[in-house]
This record gives sequence, C-alpha cells and structure tokens, in this order.
Amino acid sequence: NAGVTQTPKFRVLKTGQSMTLLCAQDMNHEYMYWYRQDPGMGLRLIHYSVGEGTTAKGEVPDGYNVSRLKKQNFLLGLESAAPSQTSVYFCASRKREGPYNEQFFGPGTRLTVL
Amino acid sequence: SQQGEEDPQALSIQEGENATMNCSYKTSINNLQWYRQNSGRGLVHLILIRSNEREKHSGRLRVTLDTSKKSSSLLITASRAADTASYFCATDEGTGGYQKVTFGIGTKLQVIP
Repeated sequence: NAGVTQTPKFRVLKTGQSMTLLCAQDMNHEYMYWYRQDPGMGLRLIHYSVGEGTTAKGEVPDGYNVSRLKKQNFLLGLESAAPSQTSVYFCASRKREGPYNEQFFGPGTRLTVL
Repeated sequence: SQQGEEDPQALSIQEGENATMNCSYKTSINNLQWYRQNSGRGLVHLILIRSNEREKHSGRLRVTLDTSKKSSSLLITASRAADTASYFCATDEGTGGYQKVTFGIGTKLQVIP
C-alpha cells in the first residue's frame, strides 16, 4: 500500500494564481483532512470530509475550497493565491469506525506564494 | 486556537539519556495521541492513550495522562540520534460522526550522538 500520497511535493505560485493540491489514499478510509503547518503554529485544520461527496470547514477555511468526488481522493483548491497561504500542506486520512483511530499523513506539499 | 500546548518547545539531550515532553490541554477529550515528525516529512502516529487510561507503554515510549490536570507526558527512554524529530500531541475531543483532533505546536527534540 502507498498509504497517503500528495501531489505536487513543491510549488511556487504568484499572487492571484490558482492551483489544486491532490491527496490520494489507498486504505479505503472514510475520513480525510487537509491541514496547513506554519512555524510556531502547529497544524491547523483547513477542511475535512467524512465521506464521498461531503466536505466541511475546519479552523482556517478562508481562501480554500475542497472536493471529494471519489472516496480515495481529496482535492484542495486555491482560487486566488495570497502570500499568507505560503505554508506546508498536509493531507491525512483515517477510518470511520470507533473514536480511537489514528490519522495517517501524507508527506506534505510545500507551497510558496510570491 | 491550539488545544494542546507542548512543553518545552525545544529539548537537546545526549544519546542514551531520557527525554520527557509535556502536553497541556483545555477541554475534555476522548483520547490523546502523540505524533512524530521528522524534518521535511509528514507526521507519524506513535501512541494513543484513552481518556480512561493513565499510562501506556510502547517500546521505549511511555505516555501518561492526567485528566484532572488536563496534561499528558511522553517519555522516550534511552534516546537515540534517530529520535531527533518534532513531537506533537493531538487531542481528540469530538463526538458523533466526526472527532475533532487538535494539534499542539510541538516539541523539537535533538539527540546528540
């Protein structure tokens, strides 16, 4: 199993450009998450999904949109990138059953917005 | 807002010594998890302790949980250079269909060979 994969690994954007980050998992997990990690801030939840076709806002959703058209994929979109969105983005997934399941993380996408 | 706060934010020890990291949180939780992050990588789950447990072991890791003080500690015994990483606590506090997991800002551990 590949686990959780993220595409791309690195990206540089100019202010106002758009892009989509792709997360894929092959563990048949129901729940998927997008986080951003900034120095001194820990991980902050952007959006999450509890199943195919459903998404919800997390702690810092502004400026981002998501879609979960297939169970194994969770896409994060930036419609008009801003320098404040420079960060490392992590995708994670976990099983639905029970309250005691760990999250599995992808390797991250390092995004720089100039 | 950050639920978990790790202490210290940075720790440097010699190989073979024990490393202790603490995590404090504010609200009631279902469980508390510890994750490790090597530089430039994603987080890896280490251990989970449930709210009705007080201590848990996994190899060289020992986790304690004191729900009355809303705090947890992670002890790594006989540290190795390969333990150099950032360690995060994550509190799981949700109910129903979605468990809200909140991560702290982490403790950066350096183990000197």
